[in-house]
Parts: sequence; C-alpha cells; structure tokens
Amino acid sequence: DTAVSQTPKYLVTQMGNDKSIKCEQNLGHDTMYWYKQDSKKFLKIMFSYNNKELIINETVPNRFSPKSPDKAHLNLHINSLELGDSAVYFCASSQASGYGYTFGSGTRLTVV
Amino acid sequence: AQTVTQSQPEMSVQEAETVTLSCTYDTSESDYYLFWYKQPPSRQMILVIRQEAYKQQNATENRFSVNFQKAAKSFSLKISDSQLGDAAMYFCAYRATRQGGSEKLVFGKGTKLTVNP
Repeated sequence: DTAVSQTPKYLVTQMGNDKSIKCEQNLGHDTMYWYKQDSKKFLKIMFSYNNKELIINETVPNRFSPKSPDKAHLNLHINSLELGDSAVYFCASSQASGYGYTFGSGTRLTVV
Repeated sequence: AQTVTQSQPEMSVQEAETVTLSCTYDTSESDYYLFWYKQPPSRQMILVIRQEAYKQQNATENRFSVNFQKAAKSFSLKISDSQLGDAAMYFCAYRATRQGGSEKLVFGKGTKLTVNP
C-alpha cells in the first residue's frame, strides 16, 4: 500500500534523449512536489502543484516540464537530457500547511 | 529567503550512546514548522520528528527529541541509545506557514551519521 509511488526507480539513458518519471499518491493530498537531490545529497525543490495548478516553478531549465493530469498524479518529463541532469528525483505530497511531506522512493537518473 | 544550515557534515556515535545533530535556520516569519528527516542508504526519505514554532515544548518521538530555541533559531536533534539502524543522512528542514502549496520545504545540506558497534 505505497503512499507515494514513483516509476521507474532507476533510469539510465543517453544524452539527448527524452524521458519521463511518473508519480502517484493515494493519500488524498492536494499538493505534490518534485525535488532534485544532487551528487552531494542536497535537496532542492523544482516544482509544486496544488490541485493540478502549478504553484512553484524554481529556476529549472525549460527542458523540464511537469504535468498533473489530476491531483493524485504528477509526472516529470525531461527533454534533451544532459549529463548534468544525472541525479535522484523525488516526488512528494503534502496535506495542509504545517505537515511534513511524504516522499516517494526516488528515481535515480543517470545520463551517459 | 529562508535558509537552513547544518554545520556538521559528518558525525559518529557508539552504539547505545547519545548524539546531537545541530541545525540553525534563518527566517523572518514568526510562524513555521521544522522537521528532521532521515535518509538511510535505501534513499527513502523518512520523517523523524516535527516541531511547531508556536509551541515552546520540545517534540519527542521515542529515542528522538529536539532542542528548539526559537530566539536563537536553533533546532538540534538528539538521538538517545543509538542503534545501528540509525546510521543515515539526517536532514533538517523548514516550512513556512502558508496555504495552497506556495510554501516549500527547505532543506539543510545534511549530516551523515555513522553508528559504530
């Protein structure tokens, strides 16, 4: 009964390819997020969606495009992958302000 | 902008001993929430403990407790009776009080905790 599930867990791809990471939550939360964890383990927010509406869009290259078909799903599509995109990408969801986030298990993306 | 600082990149503790991880933060808000997350080698992010800024009482969860000093903007995590399973990266995080997803969880750079048998 996974609360926040991401697929795939691992993704190895060549430079220039386009790839997608899917995220689904069954917690009934209104808000979902994408975070990037770099090689030094630093976690930085990329996007947040509240009830399918984009709320936060940090300084992320426009090769990254989030899509939220409904409030339980938030997918991340990446065009023209670059070596520097290699990282772990976490999806998360949250209920009302003041609560912590529930994270997915992460997707390790390796661009070769 | 809010920032979270963890000044100890690495810490180690003997099994069954107590260790304290430090965290300071910077904010102009008066109402906010603070968290400690644990990330074991499995990379799953696990919420350890949560503190509401308007509460003076320090949060505790079993062997985990915090020392929250609002005036000093300090939020340290104490792990008592350390166990081998406590070995992980620990992240301190801050979240402002706003609705609708416009707030974000801001993380420190993490402290890697090693537990020695």
